Amino acid sequence: EAGVAQSPRYKIIEKRQSVAFWCNPISGHATLYWYQQILGQGPKLLIQFQNNGVVDDSQLPKDRFSAERLKGVDSTLKIQPAKLEDSAVYLCASGGAGETQYFGPGTRLLVL
Amino acid sequence: GIQVEQSPPDLILQEGANSTLRCNFSDSVNNLQWFHQNPWGQLINLFYIPSGTKQNGRLSATTVATERYSLLYISSSQTTDSGVYFCATLTGTASKLTFGTGTRLQVTL
Repeated sequence: EAGVAQSPRYKIIEKRQSVAFWCNPISGHATLYWYQQILGQGPKLLIQFQNNGVVDDSQLPKDRFSAERLKGVDSTLKIQPAKLEDSAVYLCASGGAGETQYFGPGTRLLVL
Repeated sequence: GIQVEQSPPDLILQEGANSTLRCNFSDSVNNLQWFHQNPWGQLINLFYIPSGTKQNGRLSATTVATERYSLLYISSSQTTDSGVYFCATLTGTASKLTFGTGTRLQVTL
């Protein structure tokens, strides 16, 4: 079975620019997660979708971050405008009927 | 919120050695997972282990939920075991994972 796909793999932007990341979960997985992983730390949940509804976005900086999951499959995460502290790896994960989460390869973002 | 602490923070092993990684959590959990993040950043599920013991090849894990800890055993370590090991817990009714602080493992020849 194909894993979680993410793109792009790397992105370098200047502060105040905008950026978008894309995630395609494992087929049939209803739950999709976006995590932010800052260097040297564990991943931190930004937002969780169940199908196309938001379950938890309590740690999403809503003044600059937005996410959507149209049709309950693919998802995009956007940052506008980016700040230096947004430099991190953005990980997408999906989960099925059990509670095991499967992670994509991540997008490494560098904000200059 | 729940606190998840891992020890040791860093570990250097010679190939062939065995090791034990520990994960302590501050509250009752619904389950616990162990992940390996390889040097390229990919997070791989190792175990989904809310309680008891599981084994997969050279790796095994034990969770004692009543005492709020989990252990990951790596036997006959190989250089490909290098990377960061995270434990992560689920609490309450949500499926939100809280990750531990991680153990960075380097296996040398």
